Amino acid sequence: KAGVTQTPRYLIKTRGQQVTLSCSPISGHRSVSWYQQTPGQGLQFLFEYFSETQRNKGNFPGRFSGRQFSNSRSEMNVSTLELGDSALYLCASRGVTEAFFGQGTRLTVV
Amino acid sequence: EDQVTQSPEALRLQEGESSSLNCSYTVSGLRGLFWYRQDPGKGPEFLFTLYSAGEEKEKERLKATLTKKESFLHITAPKPEDSATYLCAVRPNPEVRDSNYQLIWGAGTKLIIKP
Repeated sequence: KAGVTQTPRYLIKTRGQQVTLSCSPISGHRSVSWYQQTPGQGLQFLFEYFSETQRNKGNFPGRFSGRQFSNSRSEMNVSTLELGDSALYLCASRGVTEAFFGQGTRLTVV
Repeated sequence: EDQVTQSPEALRLQEGESSSLNCSYTVSGLRGLFWYRQDPGKGPEFLFTLYSAGEEKEKERLKATLTKKESFLHITAPKPEDSATYLCAVRPNPEVRDSNYQLIWGAGTKLIIKP
């Protein structure tokens, strides 16, 4: 059974640019959550999508957005990148109870 | 307010030296408590789910236990490859209060096992 796949694994962007990250969940899972992880802040919840609808949202500015497609794949977009957006972005796929994570996308903003 | 606190922040052990990591929680109804292991630069790897006080789960050198206020991750005779950050998370019961059913995460315990 394939796990959660995140692409790309690494990304370097310049301040002011925008970026799109992709997440393919485990087959059959309809819930996809996104997290930002930085050394000082730990895991910070961004948003959750379930059956193409945003179900929950964390405390992040509107520059962070996402969507989910009918095949449950999800994308996360960050516009007008800032240096502070440099982080590991993690996607988690959930079936009934447990959440399973992808390997993450390491975003560096320069 | 729902909260998860992990202690200690970091723990250094010699290979073979058993110890425990703590996860204390306050939550409005517990739907589940989860333990994950995270290696540097990688996504968290699921270890255990515990649902009710008194429950225990084991996997190799790890054993997780749960009470009404905390969970322990016991590591027996650890090896250097057990070095990682161990994360604890709880899921509140949305039927108890109007929660959004999201996981509430602790800050993690960084475990270092020296050969």
